[in-house]
Amino acid sequence: GESVGLHLPTLSVQEGDNSIINCAYSNSASDYFIWYKQESGKGPQFIIDIRSNMDKRQGQRVTVLLNKTVKHLSLQIAATQPGDSAVYFCAENSDFNKFYFGSGTKLNVKP
Amino acid sequence: DAGITQSPRHKVTETGTPVTLRCHQTENHRYMYWYRQDPGHGLRLIHYSYGVKDTDKGEVSDGYSVSRSKTEDFLLTLESATSSQTSVYFCAISGTTTNEKLFFGSGTQLSVL
Repeated sequence: GESVGLHLPTLSVQEGDNSIINCAYSNSASDYFIWYKQESGKGPQFIIDIRSNMDKRQGQRVTVLLNKTVKHLSLQIAATQPGDSAVYFCAENSDFNKFYFGSGTKLNVKP
Repeated sequence: DAGITQSPRHKVTETGTPVTLRCHQTENHRYMYWYRQDPGHGLRLIHYSYGVKDTDKGEVSDGYSVSRSKTEDFLLTLESATSSQTSVYFCAISGTTTNEKLFFGSGTQLSVL
């Protein structure tokens, strides 16, 4: 499988601060990327996606940035809330709709 | 969970026994996936299907087989379960074209003793 990794396995932030979760991917042919949130005991939930023809995409309180030059993806969460505490995964589609996931980053939001 | 049902939700079995996990969808999506999730490894693709009777291997397919005889069902079989296959198994579905997001089921916790 392709290598999709995360720089920080655990991230702790204060409630109200902005969070940034990073992801590196290895396949320059990957053309579609997704961020997922997973709460304990549940399946991953879709947060936001981005195609390779875009550099940035915004959702509600979340922004995904894609830097194809250095093969880097980031998820920014504005005004982080306790409900944002979870594990976050990035995924890439690099091989005919086969999606490969990173090992995840745990986000802890301190009140 | 986007019309995805995994069964069973929990299973305990013994080494060497066959095990079949079922994923059922009501979305008429083309693509279906089986992932396993282990601490420190994130989600790893086992097999996926791009249509009825069309399947392909993922990263960790050894010891697993799949079948898809109709659009709504994707079965994962462990022919002879081993302790290393103790894991949480997730089914996912995706739409009719490429580059569409995956929707996940609630998972099956499998323990092989």
